[in-house]
Amino acid sequence: GAVVSQHPSRVICKSGTSVKIECRSLDFQATTMFWYRQFPKQSLMLMATSNEGSKATYEQGVEKDKFLINHASLTLSTLTVTSAHPEDSSFYICSAYPRGISNQPQHFGDGTRLSIL
Amino acid sequence: SQKIEQNSEALNIQEGKTATLTCNYTNYSPAYLQWYRQDPGRGPVFLLLIRENEKEKRKERLKVTFDTTLKQSLFHITASQPADSATYLCAPGGVDSSYKLIFGSGTRLLVRP
Repeated sequence: GAVVSQHPSRVICKSGTSVKIECRSLDFQATTMFWYRQFPKQSLMLMATSNEGSKATYEQGVEKDKFLINHASLTLSTLTVTSAHPEDSSFYICSAYPRGISNQPQHFGDGTRLSIL
Repeated sequence: SQKIEQNSEALNIQEGKTATLTCNYTNYSPAYLQWYRQDPGRGPVFLLLIRENEKEKRKERLKVTFDTTLKQSLFHITASQPADSATYLCAPGGVDSSYKLIFGSGTRLLVRP
């Protein structure tokens, strides 16, 4: 149980393109989802907290107009990297927190490798 | 500011030995602490969660301790196997109501056959 699916797993695109990444909780409902970014050999850096039906909460230094987050349902959150540039190339990972249960682990997707040429 | 420290150097041990990884945190008081395993190019996989009122927790060959006085957690893998080779991340949480986790930099474990 507690499976999180992230799609696509890999994206290669030209500079200036907008890229959408989907994060789905397959067998549970998630009021809260999180988006992380990870550079090579570094830890996960939290970008934003996505709450179903409300605006995302962004961490300090993360541009909300650059990284658009939509959490339209209890099983789906999307991250759109708008007008992506080479410096946006990274490994993006989402996680989902089961609805209505406290002090539980987050369940992670398998990440999206984004490469901007 | 909140800080989490894990040994950045890789831990290299012989198969069958016990691996011990350390996680130290400063400037906050988490209600719980989680340990995850991450393989290259994959998302983290949850291993164990220990709450602030628990001193120790076990799961098969894994053991976690949580010392809120020392602000430290130790993660042990007994009878280690080459398949245990991965990066292990600690993540204190429950500081506020947001369910946010802040991850340590991770320690890479290499188990030699």
